[in-house]
Amino acid sequence: QKEVEQNSGPLSVPEGAIASLNCTYSDRGSQSFFWYRQYSGKSPELIMSIYSNGDKEDGRFTAQLNKASQYVSLLIRDSQPSDSATYLCAVRVYGGSQGNLIFGKGTKLSVKP
Amino acid sequence: DGGITQSPKYLFRKEGQNVTLSCEQNLNHDAMYWYRQDPGQGLRLIYYSQIVNDFQKGDIAEGYSVSREKKESFPLTVTSAQKNPTAFYLCASSPAGLGGETQYFGPGTRLLVL
Repeated sequence: QKEVEQNSGPLSVPEGAIASLNCTYSDRGSQSFFWYRQYSGKSPELIMSIYSNGDKEDGRFTAQLNKASQYVSLLIRDSQPSDSATYLCAVRVYGGSQGNLIFGKGTKLSVKP
Repeated sequence: DGGITQSPKYLFRKEGQNVTLSCEQNLNHDAMYWYRQDPGQGLRLIYYSQIVNDFQKGDIAEGYSVSREKKESFPLTVTSAQKNPTAFYLCASSPAGLGGETQYFGPGTRLLVL
């Protein structure tokens, strides 16, 4: 069974700090990686996608991918209370019914003013 | 405005009743997906469709059925065979079936059992 693992949290950081969210995945063949943000009671919204090893930056968000270690992370700089949400890591795997996104259970982030 | 719409926002099901959740997209996306989310759980794939008139079972298809008669529409029926239907149901679409394309989500339907 192909899996995506995340620390469920909650992860609590003070306003202005860097929040670091981590995700590991089991399928070495995975090629595409996504971070979604989900506010309570709402649907997931895409924050970042990353396909190559290294860092990808978009505003206050940086996604980091290390395929050798099967590890992807999301850094949020200058965290704001509005960043408080659950962050879902998703990995695209290939083959059969698994040819779609596999989601982790999410990490709940709380940014304290 | 382009996007994905789901209706209703809340749906109540009585014992033994089939109910249908609507999902419509005007993004001209080829692929559409249905997920179920339970509290504290990740999203689990119910069904997906890469083209019109074709769909595949996901990991938890038992008790559910779908149709894909139009590119824009992918309704999900929760049948009476689904014994624990209470969950948040999410529809998504992507511009290609397989590959590195991103899935975009509708607002969701929350199903509750009376």
